[in-house]
Amino acid sequence: DGGITQSPKYLFRKEGQNVTLSCEQNLNHDAMYWYRQDPGQGLRLIYYSQIVNDFQKGDIAEGYSVSREKKESFPLTVTSAQKNPTAFYLCASSIEERAGELFFGEGSRLTVL
Amino acid sequence: AQSVTQLGSHVSVSEGALVLLRCNYSSSVPPYLFWYVQYPNQGLQLLLKYTTGATLVKGINGFEAEFKKSETSFHLTKPSAHMSDAAEYFCAVSSNYQLIWGAGTKLIIKP
Repeated sequence: DGGITQSPKYLFRKEGQNVTLSCEQNLNHDAMYWYRQDPGQGLRLIYYSQIVNDFQKGDIAEGYSVSREKKESFPLTVTSAQKNPTAFYLCASSIEERAGELFFGEGSRLTVL
Repeated sequence: AQSVTQLGSHVSVSEGALVLLRCNYSSSVPPYLFWYVQYPNQGLQLLLKYTTGATLVKGINGFEAEFKKSETSFHLTKPSAHMSDAAEYFCAVSSNYQLIWGAGTKLIIKP
């Protein structure tokens, strides 16, 4: 079945540690996105990529980094510079021509202790 | 700048009652509008979308929404609520290939 796979689903880390969240899709979509979700705040865009080897900052990119070396993969690293990293992280993809129609993974919940 | 406002962070209805979730947007260009649903600890799923054409849009699970340009609204409705509709619902407007999201409305279904 085609879809988006995020891993891990739950992750606990100590302050000061970098963590990498995985996102893989087999939908052959060009565009991929990372969102952060906090209660009562909706979704905030961290980074997005419309093509391999290219990505752009979203609204809250500080303290995060990404790479897009393959069409299928768009990993997100939460660095120690992110001041409040505990959140629910969602990866999504879309066909560029139908931007707005996003397919989401099941999310990764990061808790920093 | 485009923005989306969802009225009510929580909406509670009885099973079998009408569901109405409100969404208002601001946009300087004809908008593309979307509703997504999120079940607990899961990703979001597209419910329905408005791009052009018919202003009454039907989606999955019996939901529909009507685009009203004069009111800058895109409210989501369902004639009869079911327990399985309990979830969080997000309205969004498309802007330069990105989505501007509302803060979400949690729908609570009372038995």
